[in-house]
Amino acid sequence: EAGVTQSPTHLIKTRGQQATLRCSPISGHTSVYWYQQALGLGLQFLLWYDEGEERNRGNFPPRFSGRQFPNYSSELNVNALELEDSALYLCASSLEKVRRWGEQYFGPGTRLTVT
Amino acid sequence: KNQVEQSPQSLIILEGKNCTLQCNYTVSPFSNLRWYKQDTGRGPVSLTIMTFSENTKSNGRYTATLDADTKQSSLHITASQLSDSASYICVVNAGNMLTFGGGTRLMVKP
Repeated sequence: EAGVTQSPTHLIKTRGQQATLRCSPISGHTSVYWYQQALGLGLQFLLWYDEGEERNRGNFPPRFSGRQFPNYSSELNVNALELEDSALYLCASSLEKVRRWGEQYFGPGTRLTVT
Repeated sequence: KNQVEQSPQSLIILEGKNCTLQCNYTVSPFSNLRWYKQDTGRGPVSLTIMTFSENTKSNGRYTATLDADTKQSSLHITASQLSDSASYICVVNAGNMLTFGGGTRLMVKP
């Protein structure tokens, strides 16, 4: 069974540009979560999507947004990039029925570098 | 405010030695606690999960303990190997959201 996949692996952008990161959950998983992990810091919750809808978002500005498609894959968009947006962006997926159990499976991440 | 504090922030040990990582939390309501291993530049992988009623759980050379009264957990690594070099993250589940600790960066040297 394929795990959570993310693309691209690495992304280099300049300040002010927009970045789009993609995530494909494990087959059958309906929930997708996005996290930001800046260098040397812990994971910070960004967004949670389930069944195509945004269910919750972390303490991040509106320029961080995303969506979930009918096939449950997801996209994270970061507008007006700032240098401090440089981080590893992790996507995780889970089954709705075990979501409250906290069972999340993580992808390998996308390393975003803003110059 | 839900918080998860891990110590130490970093640790260097020699191959073959044992070590213990600590996790203190103030998350409510408590559902379960997980320890993840995260290799550099990769996504976290779950090592163990513990519920309120569990005190100890092992996964190979990894043994996690939980004291729900004092809200403390530890991860003990026995006979460390070079491949154990990674960040270890304590994650507490409040039933709807996960709260992540900052992690302990472990380096195992030959």
